This record gives sequence, C-alpha cells and structure tokens, in this order.
Amino acid sequence: DSGVTQTPKHLITATGQRVTLRCSPRSGDLSVYWYQQSLDQGLQFLIHYYNGEERAKGNILERFSAQQFPDLHSELNLSSLELGDSALYFCASGITNTGELFFGEGSRLTVL
Amino acid sequence: GQQLNQSPQSMFIQEGEDVSMNCTSSSIFNTWLWYKQDPGEGPVLLIALYKAGELTSNGRLTAQFGITRKDSFLNISASIPSDVGIYFCAGYSGGGADGLTFGKGTHLIIQP
Repeated sequence: DSGVTQTPKHLITATGQRVTLRCSPRSGDLSVYWYQQSLDQGLQFLIHYYNGEERAKGNILERFSAQQFPDLHSELNLSSLELGDSALYFCASGITNTGELFFGEGSRLTVL
Repeated sequence: GQQLNQSPQSMFIQEGEDVSMNCTSSSIFNTWLWYKQDPGEGPVLLIALYKAGELTSNGRLTAQFGITRKDSFLNISASIPSDVGIYFCAGYSGGGADGLTFGKGTHLIIQP
C-alpha cells in the first residue's frame, strides 16, 4: 500500500461527457502529480501541484484541468471526452526534490 | 523534451534465470529510479539511485547509475514467478517541478 488513494477505480462514460478523478496523497506529502498511461504512450506527465499551487504542466490537453485543495487532495477534471482519452490515470505524491514518487492504484477511464 | 530509451521491450525467460535491462537518455539526470507495475496496479518504487556510479541492491535486484548520468541498468538474479510484470526506468532532473520522465517499460514474462 503506497498510501496514495485514488477514486474511482473504474469509470465508463460516453464521448462528450465530463468526469472528475480524485486523489489523496500520502500523509505529509505536499506534492501531487498526475500521469496518464495508455498502451502506446507509456506514462505521460500531465500536471504537478505543490501545496495548492500549480508547479508544472506536461502534456496536458486544454480540455483537462486539475486543482489541489487546502487539505492537499487533488482532482483531475476531464471534459469533452474523446475515445482517445481512454487510459489509466495515476496520481503520485512524494517529497519534492528527491524524485521518489509513490503511485496510487489508478483510475481506469473508458470512453465509449 | 527528454526521452528515455528502455530495452529490451520484452523478455521471455525461464524461472531461475538472471535478467538485465537498461535505460539510456539523451540528457543528464540527477536521479535514476526503477519501478515495477503489476496488472491493474500502480507502479511501485523498487530502487532509487542518486549518485553517478552508484550501485544499489534491494534483495535480488541490483541497479546502477551510469557514470555519464545518462544511463542506468537493473539486474534481477534468480528470477521467480512473482517477478513477472512491467519494469519502468525513470529519470529525475531535479527542481521538483516536472516530476519523472519514464521509459516505455520492459515486459518480463517467465516461461514455465
């Protein structure tokens, strides 16, 4: 158990819809990272939040957004969903500047 | 952006054999990490390396941080069935913002 909690574990929705994925980091970790994993692209960095503030953006689409709340949990919002958005979405937390990240079990999104 | 080349893409081995996989980069990293992912789970951190030339073991796993800081390898000795999974290398540049850059993974399959 990494200590990082993600919900929901599975989500099936239709094109054009919007979903929200939720993440609770390990106790004491201020950083939350979101990654997308698809079969052909591996693990792609989406966005990083540190103590409520956005620190870096990776290959995140404009249809996607995230936020980190005062209690440090984070939400990833995916809107106007397309078939190609079907993937595993991972949240990870860690101590900044060590590089060590601890991953949740992921949310598997299927867009039909 | 930075890219990691991880090889081999997959390995078919017999139980008890030793395994070796490696990762190379066009850029320098300050930290190299190795993760393992089981089906339906998030990546789990196996070994983190912080210094060029560093050789670190974790049970039957041994990893090294290349002298040039552009490569790393992971060895698994005397493989057992539970070693099956996907192994990812990851590099961390420092600064904390962008998180980790991942290789595309080595899929380890153990034949009976």
